Amino acid sequence: AQSVSQHNHHVILSEAASLELGCNYSYGGTVNLFWYVQYPGQHLQLLLKYFSGDPLVKGIKGFEAEFIKSKFSFNLRKPSVQWSDTAEYFCAVNVGGANNLFFGTGTRLTVIP
Amino acid sequence: EPEVTQTPSHQVTQMGQEVILRCVPISNHLYFYWYRQILGQKVEFLVSFYNNEISEKSEIFDDQFSVERPDGSNFTLKIRSTKLEDSAMYFCASSALAGSYNEQFFGPGTRLTVL
Repeated sequence: AQSVSQHNHHVILSEAASLELGCNYSYGGTVNLFWYVQYPGQHLQLLLKYFSGDPLVKGIKGFEAEFIKSKFSFNLRKPSVQWSDTAEYFCAVNVGGANNLFFGTGTRLTVIP
Repeated sequence: EPEVTQTPSHQVTQMGQEVILRCVPISNHLYFYWYRQILGQKVEFLVSFYNNEISEKSEIFDDQFSVERPDGSNFTLKIRSTKLEDSAMYFCASSALAGSYNEQFFGPGTRLTVL
């Protein structure tokens, strides 16, 4: 069965530190990859997505992610985090053009001012 | 900006009771979804719905669950006889078109507590 792994459950950073959140998936076929963010008390929002083409994708709020097919990974990065980035981050995978998303368990990011 | 809304935000029910969770998708969207997240676990897909019928469903979505679009705006999830393990956050989502190329927009969720 497909699975999505996020290895970091809780990450605590100081403002201006760099961020990298790991995401690995298990499916070997065609995948589409997503990062969603959930700010406290708010909806899940799409940060960025990868379908094809340039494996380095840029999203909103200065986030980017790199798809490395050989490593089955889609890690999220931001060079300098802000206090407002405190949220829960979810990696999600769509397989073979189906409609449903498979989510990771999420990583809680706390940014200390 | 249009958004998906869900009611109620929190539902408490006794085991064995029926519950209906309500969602209002974004108005021009055609594809609708339910996901759930048990506390401390992953967000899990339950079902997708298009053109008044289920298009995909997961193993979780057994005979106790049903979905309906009773009118032009609401999309509901019914759990016929709730179990303790149904306690979770239930998220509704909608998208304009089918397939993963189209972003799914999520609602704020309904927290269901089964006692």
